[in-house]
Amino acid sequence: DSGVTQTPKHLITATGQRVTLRCSPRSGDLSVYWYQQSLDQGLQFLIQYYNGEERAKGNILERFSAQQFPDLHSELNLSSLELGDSALYFCASSVAGTSGGDTQYFGPGTRLTVL
Amino acid sequence: DAKTTQPPSMDCAEGRAANLPCNHSTISGNEYVYWYRQIHSQGPQYIIHGLKNNETNEMASLIITEDRKSSTLILPHATLRDTAVYYCIVSRTGNQFYFGTGTSLTVIP
Repeated sequence: DSGVTQTPKHLITATGQRVTLRCSPRSGDLSVYWYQQSLDQGLQFLIQYYNGEERAKGNILERFSAQQFPDLHSELNLSSLELGDSALYFCASSVAGTSGGDTQYFGPGTRLTVL
Repeated sequence: DAKTTQPPSMDCAEGRAANLPCNHSTISGNEYVYWYRQIHSQGPQYIIHGLKNNETNEMASLIITEDRKSSTLILPHATLRDTAVYYCIVSRTGNQFYFGTGTSLTVIP
């Protein structure tokens, strides 16, 4: 158990719909990362938040957005869903210090199926 | 962040040491080497990380060459539960990870 929780575990929805994935980081971790893993793309970085502020953006579509709340939990919002958005979505958290390496701890993921 | 190169697959006999190589020839001075593994579709699991020196923990050892252009993850006594995809990642502190395709390790009874 990494200490990172994600809900829901599974999500099945239809094209065109909007969903919200939730992540609670480990106690004390200030940074949250979102990753997408699809069969043909592998694990891809989407976006990083640090203490409520967006810190880095990766290959995140404009239809996707995220935020980190004052209690440090994070939500990933996916809208106008397409079949190709079906994937595993992982959240990771870290202390995100400035030195000494920064281990990311991953949650169990949310499996999104778009029909 | 630097890219890494790993063999796509490896086999290892149960009880033997598994040595997984990784090339990261463009690594910069402030980038760490991290190893993670993913079993089926579970979340990636942290194994070990290092900067310059060799590191050991309860799971594995990490050997980094003196020029830091390559590293080897050693699982000293592989078990069937070590069958997984192993990812070598280089990254600066506080930065996102870029995962490659990893090495699919199969431990054979």
